Amino acid sequence: GQNIDQPTEMTATEGAIVQINCTYQTSGFNGLFWYQQHAGEAPTFLSYNVLDGLEEKGRFSSFLSRSKGYSYLLLKELQMKDSASYLCAVSLDSNYQLIWGAGTKLIIKP
Amino acid sequence: DAGVTQSPTHLIKTRGQHVTLRCSPISGHKSVSWYQQVLGQGPQFIFQYYEKEERGRGNFPDRFSARQFPNYSSELNVNALLLGDSALYLCASSSSGLVNEQFFGPGTRLTVL
Repeated sequence: GQNIDQPTEMTATEGAIVQINCTYQTSGFNGLFWYQQHAGEAPTFLSYNVLDGLEEKGRFSSFLSRSKGYSYLLLKELQMKDSASYLCAVSLDSNYQLIWGAGTKLIIKP
Repeated sequence: DAGVTQSPTHLIKTRGQHVTLRCSPISGHKSVSWYQQVLGQGPQFIFQYYEKEERGRGNFPDRFSARQFPNYSSELNVNALLLGDSALYLCASSSSGLVNEQFFGPGTRLTVL
């Protein structure tokens, strides 16, 4: 079976840093994605990790450890507009199907 | 260039009815994938079509079917609607079907009463 786990909800303060963790157990692996989704809207792409290590893109960074089945998304200098759900998704060997976690709802407080 | 478009935006149906959802991919993209996202959960893969042929199917009953037309647009059909079919239905397009280059449409919100 396929399993992706993320915390259900997290709260952080504007201007601070937050780390959202994702662990996965899947039958194959071709890469790990992070998406942002505001309520009622489609997911928007944030990052894609294939190899172990840290990928940095502006205020957002994503880390992957394939041997541990673990990833995290790091958000710095939090802004109120960062309040959204953050979804972790794994691409299987075929690379045409994504398996998604349930998402982490991030609440930013002033 | 226009992004992925979906219609309708919102839809209300009753149990037992049939529904057709439509998706137009980005110009030049030959692949369309469909996902179902129930409130509070991540999307679930339903189908992928590439060059008008089904490339993959998720764990959904036969009530769900889809097709892709010569212009690469796609329809998702759901028969005998159940309350549990209420969800956001997302369409994603890509040039080759690879998930690392897919773009999502705004989705269709289906409510089954």
